Amino acid sequence: DAGVTQSPTHLIKTRGQHVTLRCSPISGHKSVSWYQQVLGQGPQFIFQYYEKEERGRGNFPDRFSARQFPNYSSELNVNALLLGDSALYLCASSLRGVALATNEQFFGPGTRLTVL
Amino acid sequence: RKEVEQDPGPFNVPEGATVAFNCTYSNSASQSFFWYRQDCRKEPKLLMSVYSSGNEDGRFTAQLNRASQYISLLIRDSKLSDSATYLCVVILNTDKLIFGTGTRLQVFP
Repeated sequence: DAGVTQSPTHLIKTRGQHVTLRCSPISGHKSVSWYQQVLGQGPQFIFQYYEKEERGRGNFPDRFSARQFPNYSSELNVNALLLGDSALYLCASSLRGVALATNEQFFGPGTRLTVL
Repeated sequence: RKEVEQDPGPFNVPEGATVAFNCTYSNSASQSFFWYRQDCRKEPKLLMSVYSSGNEDGRFTAQLNRASQYISLLIRDSKLSDSATYLCVVILNTDKLIFGTGTRLQVFP
């Protein structure tokens, strides 16, 4: 069975540009969460979507936005890129829309974004 | 103060050694606790949940101390393949995982 997939795997952009990252959850999973992992740090929560609605938002500026499609795939958009946006962007899928011990989140391989 | 704090390490241990990591969390309302493992340039993967009574999975033992707000992970008989970053994770609300910075373990022959 396919796990969580993300595209692209790597991306290089320059400051001020816009980027769109994509995620396909595990088949049957309805929740997608996005995390940013800067080198040397743990992942930081950005958004959670469940049944196409935003269920949670982390402490990120409005330059970050996301959406979930009817097939439960998701996009993360970042506008006006800054050097500090360089990071690994991880997508995680789970069956339900709540972060519980019984609702494991499975992570995709991530998209490595470099902003020059 | 960070919500979840870990010693970043690295912990360099020989094969066969026992090694322990601790993690502290700041919010006493935290609900659930986990250890994730992350290999270099890979995604995090769930290693084990942490229960109040403590739990064991093979060579790995996890414990939770709610009074002192810390979580521990003990690895016995370390293998070369245990080399990775171990992330302490807490659920506070029901919408997100809160990760620590991770503790890097390097097991040498």
